[in-house]
Amino acid sequence: DIVMTQSPDSLAVSLGERATVNCKSSQSVLYSSNNKNYLAWYQQKPGQPPKLLIYWASTRASGVPDRFSGSGSGTDFTLTISSLQAEDVAVYYCQQYYSTDDPTFGQGTKLEIK
Amino acid sequence: QVQLQESGPGLVKTSQTLSLTCTVSGGSISSGNYYWSWIRQPPGKGLEWIGYIDYSESSYYNPSLKSRVTISIDTSKNQFFLRLSSVTAADTAVYYCARSPWELAYFDNWGHGTLVTVSS
Repeated sequence: DIVMTQSPDSLAVSLGERATVNCKSSQSVLYSSNNKNYLAWYQQKPGQPPKLLIYWASTRASGVPDRFSGSGSGTDFTLTISSLQAEDVAVYYCQQYYSTDDPTFGQGTKLEIK
Repeated sequence: QVQLQESGPGLVKTSQTLSLTCTVSGGSISSGNYYWSWIRQPPGKGLEWIGYIDYSESSYYNPSLKSRVTISIDTSKNQFFLRLSSVTAADTAVYYCARSPWELAYFDNWGHGTLVTVSS
């Protein structure tokens, strides 16, 4: 299976500042035939299910604010929140779907306000 | 707007079978455009995909759980189901049902989740 490793495990960022979460896959999730990275990002607030933020590594899901952006290719990916808002406090997960019959998640990154 | 809702017992005895139902509303489960998944999250821990099924009843399971998992679907009731056998305390988790676009395995719509505790 493809192992997803996120860093850091937790971080604290001041309101209005940039927050960056990293995700590394144990093998490439870039599908050469369509040049797409099979990588998604989710946000999970306490007591709630995860919410899809980003798919194809950089495509925002419907209704997701544009302060959220995804980047990267191959095995290294980044989720960036350009200007942290109080409502962005959550745990963030990356997930590969390159292996359609064995999708796997990172361990999560807890984002707090400094 | 499609909504998913999990239901089932909140407490299951060790070694027995966990059974959950996901009811889909606001859209047809047999539309053929989606995969229907189960995902779980032990308390305070991360997410683990259990498996998914499509409208034709083709199913795929997490290799680590495959020997104990069965996912089925009833298109007439707009429901799909999870059965996990021989449960232990390690199976205690919030169980989510979720939807994926066809032939992709990211999850664009989730139920609220249901906590299942395994205890003797």
